[in-house]
Amino acid sequence: NSKVIQTPRYLVKGQGQKAKMRCIPEKGHPVVFWYQQNKNNEFKFLINFQNQEVLQQIDMTEKRFSAECPSNSPCSLEIQSSEAGDSALYLCASSPGTNERLFFGHGTKLSVL
Amino acid sequence: GDQVEQSPSALSLHEGTDSALRCNFTTTMRSVQWFRQNSRGSLISLFYLASGTKENGRLKSAFDSKERRYSTLHIRDAQLEDSGTYFCAAEQGTGSKLSFGKGAKLTVSP
Repeated sequence: NSKVIQTPRYLVKGQGQKAKMRCIPEKGHPVVFWYQQNKNNEFKFLINFQNQEVLQQIDMTEKRFSAECPSNSPCSLEIQSSEAGDSALYLCASSPGTNERLFFGHGTKLSVL
Repeated sequence: GDQVEQSPSALSLHEGTDSALRCNFTTTMRSVQWFRQNSRGSLISLFYLASGTKENGRLKSAFDSKERRYSTLHIRDAQLEDSGTYFCAAEQGTGSKLSFGKGAKLTVSP
């Protein structure tokens, strides 16, 4: 039921390499979230945006991760220097507002070798 | 610490039977959402509740409107396609991030 598009579906990187993934939110949804889901099914919030502005982000995101949601372009999440512990499913979600239902994309599964 | 405690963590049902999943929150939550994740990782939105109950086909969800400390998801007449991992996620305040439970893996067998 989701119209959130995430690419690529799978991403394989070596340690120290950059890893970049993209997300096109559902049309008309100004709010975008990025979550990391590890192999133990634990979700970690990374960052969220309203339009192009960052609303919240965690420390990890501030240091090794960069993210943006430019106008008229896909949102992106980039890991500057991948580590083995970054291997996870990265989920993007969009919402019509800050306190409304989230719709997730299919995720990008990152494997860092 | 974990704000969302989800139970059970795994559940096996036969087709046609009913069951329920539950999430307890360690603090008052503003809203709750329920998702089902399939084997490929896709998270499908099932319900969003700020209070009360909602029903969609064989699924029904409730969010405790008084204390706002728990939510349930009822599955009626389970079908094979209901198999998957169910997550609840709750939001504490305006604009805050969702806190997820650790999931309940449901397996429906013939």
